[in-house]
Amino acid sequence: KQEVTQIPAALSVPEGENLVLNCSFTDSAIYNLQWFRQDPGKGLTSLLLIQSSQREQTSGRLNASLDKSSGRSTLYIAASQPGDSATYLCAVRMDSNYQLIWGAGTKLIIKP
Amino acid sequence: DTGVSQDPRHKITKRGQNVTFRCDPISEHNRLYWYRQTLGQGPEFLTYFQNEAQLEKSRLLSDRFSAERPKGSFSTLEIQRTEQGDSAMYLCASAAAAPDNEQFFGPGTRLTVL
Repeated sequence: KQEVTQIPAALSVPEGENLVLNCSFTDSAIYNLQWFRQDPGKGLTSLLLIQSSQREQTSGRLNASLDKSSGRSTLYIAASQPGDSATYLCAVRMDSNYQLIWGAGTKLIIKP
Repeated sequence: DTGVSQDPRHKITKRGQNVTFRCDPISEHNRLYWYRQTLGQGPEFLTYFQNEAQLEKSRLLSDRFSAERPKGSFSTLEIQRTEQGDSAMYLCASAAAAPDNEQFFGPGTRLTVL
């Protein structure tokens, strides 16, 4: 059974710092992996999707990497801003299944 | 805005009442998903439609839960005889066909059962 873990559960950093959020999964036979952002009480915004054949994806200040063999993905945020404060979740889609399997998220606070 | 929409955004009900939520996906998306999320947790999968066919249903979904997508467009999720444990955010997502199957989420319906 696939399990997705995100550590740490919460992270607080000063504005302007570069930071890395971690996501690990137990079964490497994934189809793709998505990173999402969730603001308090709101729905989910898709940030990046990485196919199993890809190693990384970039969008603006965000860069997501994928290492299937080690069961890990990272989300790198450059030059953090207070507006980046949110909960970041990763989710994987397995080969033979259509649903997403989710981590519990990392709550990020960027201090001005 | 042509994103995923959900109605209502908030619902407060008394235990034992029935509730129904609606999801309107992105118009060209044929795949539709329902998830449930409780505070501090990631979403949990409930059910999945491809067009009007319900292809997968989680074991989390008790007999009190039913979902439909009658014309392959909007979907409804009904909870009968609500219980306090049903209090959660109910999220809907839609996706186009493969290969990416990138899921786009609506704002959610927050259910509170008193």
